[in-house]
Amino acid sequence: KNEVEQSPQNLTAQEGEFITINCSYSVGISALHWLQQHPGGGIVSLFMLSSGKKKHGRLIATINIQEKHSSLHITASHPRDSAVYICAVVRGSARQLTFGSGTQLTVLP
Amino acid sequence: DGGITQSPKYLFRKEGQNVTLSCEQNLNHDAMYWYRQDPGQGLRLIYYSQIVNDFQKGDIAEGYSVSREKKESFPLTVTSAQKNPTAFYLCASSVTFRQETQYFGPGTRLLVL
Repeated sequence: KNEVEQSPQNLTAQEGEFITINCSYSVGISALHWLQQHPGGGIVSLFMLSSGKKKHGRLIATINIQEKHSSLHITASHPRDSAVYICAVVRGSARQLTFGSGTQLTVLP
Repeated sequence: DGGITQSPKYLFRKEGQNVTLSCEQNLNHDAMYWYRQDPGQGLRLIYYSQIVNDFQKGDIAEGYSVSREKKESFPLTVTSAQKNPTAFYLCASSVTFRQETQYFGPGTRLLVL
């Protein structure tokens, strides 16, 4: 079993829909990242969370440390949101990242 | 503009050849990382460097080598010993090794012919 599991693996939505991507992990962590990978392959960091909730524009990320679960929400989705969204956890004294396999999001116009 | 550059964007290699992937950053970051991404899998750490002239093996270092002679450069060599080198390779950097935000380059897609 992977230490970081994302669901769903693939998600297709209509423009304007509210989107939720989930991340569950089975190890102790100090922080969790949500990353966005564009079709060309470049990765940008969206959020880093260690507790609670963060909001940036139409993106909201939450984390529940006790339940070992995080969600990324996109409100009023747009075709330009189409990308792979990756969850990564920071674990251990080495503070290395362990990555989920990603969620491919496609938003149709 | 500050950032991380990787070259080339696409690289083709014949079996048995070594190839070197370039990664350069002008962010003045101490730490640099190389990851490999395969379809349906998360990124896996190949090598990392906490500071210039230092580097450590990651989770999948076999068949790869690196150097860190300059702070801004962290080239990755994919050797002929790497049995399945076709993948997407991403370089990243962070202010320090314990700084949790990593900045990623655009990636290099390696295809073995």
